[in-house]
Amino acid sequence: ETGVTQTPRHLVMGMTNKKSLKCEQHLGHNAMYWYKQSAKKPLELMFVYNFKEQTENNSVPSRFSPECPNSSHLFLHLHTLQPEDSALYLCASSQTRRVSEQYFGPGTRLTVT
Amino acid sequence: QQQVKQSPQSLIVQKGGISIINCAYENTAFDYFPWYQQFPGKGPALLIAIRPDVSEKKEGRFTISFNKSAKQFSLHIMDSQPGDSATYFCAASMQDGANNLFFGTGTRLTVIP
Repeated sequence: ETGVTQTPRHLVMGMTNKKSLKCEQHLGHNAMYWYKQSAKKPLELMFVYNFKEQTENNSVPSRFSPECPNSSHLFLHLHTLQPEDSALYLCASSQTRRVSEQYFGPGTRLTVT
Repeated sequence: QQQVKQSPQSLIVQKGGISIINCAYENTAFDYFPWYQQFPGKGPALLIAIRPDVSEKKEGRFTISFNKSAKQFSLHIMDSQPGDSATYFCAASMQDGANNLFFGTGTRLTVIP
């Protein structure tokens, strides 16, 4: 595997379910990001981790819970989501000092029913 | 408040034509302006980037023009090809400081044969 991988690629969940999104980067980077991509909106930065430490939380609702066990893996735990949370969730990574050169995974298409 | 404004929302160009996408920003602290290209089912990928100390950067058929006084920058795709059909995002960041990359809303480019 190369680059940034994300699993699952598609996820349908009910509002009462609990699920997790996984991201793995094989680039030796030390910063990882979660973004939400909705139609006709800018990419919304959700969380940033540097060297496994969360350094940014852009007022994301608590129903989204990130976890970064090491510099290569990033999770997004989901619970009691709302239909408006349906979107493409993108993971990205970069070197800490090269925030503009982010490498993105293919995303997880999430549908909340 | 949207940090980076992008237009048009969609663009249709004939093969061989020039595609032009425009972006504007307000924050004069931005000092790095990348463009990302996203194909369906893929995450965004860094295409080309510019710093404000130059007015133009060219890589193959892709050129960024930068107007610091107007706080505007644009992407030109020369000799557009059907394979260029994708969504293009402009972005802006500050190289030092927070891990924030501010994206435009995206332009869906379709190049017709």
